[in-house]
Amino acid sequence: GENVEQHPSTLSVQEGDSAVIKCTYSDSASNYFPWYKQELGKRPQLIIDIRSNVGEKKDQRIAVTLNKTAKHFSLHITETQPEDSAVYFCAASKGSNYQLIWGAGTKLIIKP
Amino acid sequence: ETGVTQTPRHLVMGMTNKKSLKCEQHLGHNAMYWYKQSAKKPLELMFVYSLEERVENNSVPSRFSPECPNSSHLFLHLHTLQPEDSALYLCASSQDGQGLPYEQYFGPGTRLTVT
Repeated sequence: GENVEQHPSTLSVQEGDSAVIKCTYSDSASNYFPWYKQELGKRPQLIIDIRSNVGEKKDQRIAVTLNKTAKHFSLHITETQPEDSAVYFCAASKGSNYQLIWGAGTKLIIKP
Repeated sequence: ETGVTQTPRHLVMGMTNKKSLKCEQHLGHNAMYWYKQSAKKPLELMFVYSLEERVENNSVPSRFSPECPNSSHLFLHLHTLQPEDSALYLCASSQDGQGLPYEQYFGPGTRLTVT
C-alpha cells in the first residue's frame, strides 16, 4: 500500500533562514499532496496543498514543489519567523480524503 | 470555539470503563473523521463518515465504536481499552464530493490516558 516518508524528523534553523522539509511517496497514482501545520497544543491546519497537474505552488513565504517522476514533494519556508515553529505534516492521496496517507511529521524549531 | 469542537478535552479512564468522545462541526460539511495521534507517528485514520454512512474502517479494534447520528455530530465510544490506546484523538470534518480531497478542519482533540 501507499507509504509516505518525511524527513527530517526535527529541523532547527536560524530565524530569517530558509527551511525545507521533504516527503517521498510510493504510490505513483497519488495526485493530491497537502501540508498541515500543528503548533504546540493546537490542532493541525492546512497551510498549502498541490495537485499533480502543477509542479510548484507559492503562498507568500511558503511554497511546495512536486516531482512526480521521483515521487517526492517538498515544503519550502523562506525568511523563517518564530511563529513558524511547529510540527509540519505532509500527506498524499490518490483520490479522496479517505485515502490520505500521512507522514510522521517534522518538528521545526526557529532559533532567535 | 467555532468550527469543530470536541469534548472532553482530557479523559483518564481505567481499562474496564466505558466512555464516549464527542465531536461537533459547525461548518456545514458532509464528512467527518476520527484520527489517532501518537507521538512521532503518522496520523492514523480510524473512521470516516460521509453523508452519515461509514466509509472506511481501517481495521480498528472493536473496542472503538463510532456513531454518526447526523452530519454535524460524531461520537467515539470506548470500552475495555488498553494502555497503548493512550493518545490524542482528533476529529475532523470536510466537504466530500466526487472523490476529490478537500481541506480537513480539525478539532482541538481529546487527550486520552488509559490507566
